[in-house]
Amino acid sequence: EVQLLESGGGLVQPGGSLRLSCAASGFTFSSYAMSWVRQAPGKGLEWVSAISGSGGSTYYADSVKGRFTISRDNSKNTLYLQMNSLRAEDTAVYYCAKYWVPAAMFNAFDIWGQGTMVTVSS
Amino acid sequence: AIRITQSPSSLSASTGDRVTITCRASQGISSYLAWYQQKPGKAPKLLIYAASTLQSGVPSRFSGSGSGTDFTLTISCLQSEDFATYYCQQYYSYPHTFGQGTKLEIK
Repeated sequence: EVQLLESGGGLVQPGGSLRLSCAASGFTFSSYAMSWVRQAPGKGLEWVSAISGSGGSTYYADSVKGRFTISRDNSKNTLYLQMNSLRAEDTAVYYCAKYWVPAAMFNAFDIWGQGTMVTVSS
Repeated sequence: AIRITQSPSSLSASTGDRVTITCRASQGISSYLAWYQQKPGKAPKLLIYAASTLQSGVPSRFSGSGSGTDFTLTISCLQSEDFATYYCQQYYSYPHTFGQGTKLEIK
């Protein structure tokens, strides 16, 4: 079964850091680009970042550029999101998502994790 | 960045109704558009990709159309399990922006 499982969320103070992880199983992880999408409480979906299967290409939303870093370890089938200089407006459920076409970064997300909550508050 | 304007933001309908949700892109995106369904407390679920291709396992009462800048999601005969929030997303260029969402409620 194809599965994504996020972890690492929690409560952090403004200006703090957090690293999210997304463990993948049931597919050839290195063949697929991956992404992070977040959803603030009661709000809509916001695309955050994406990374190619090899890790050689990355993209970021303007709202997180320079503060967040996406990476992956294909030997561990794990996606990461390093979040620095966190702000109250980063409070959200963070989902990892798999692009459905192998080796392509311009397509839809067919598999989503269950999400992990990040709360930025003093 | 490409802006996606989704309408309406909310919609009340009854079981058996036909409903349509619209997304408009700020510039042409060919057919690089997906539709997702999200239920409370759950992750989104892919319904349609490439503007009109139904994802495997999605009921045929869902359909998508459009290309360029204007797109629609139609649910032909609402079932109780269809009451949820729907989002469109463009993946023509980064950032892969989402529409604001449409909450479909029972009348």
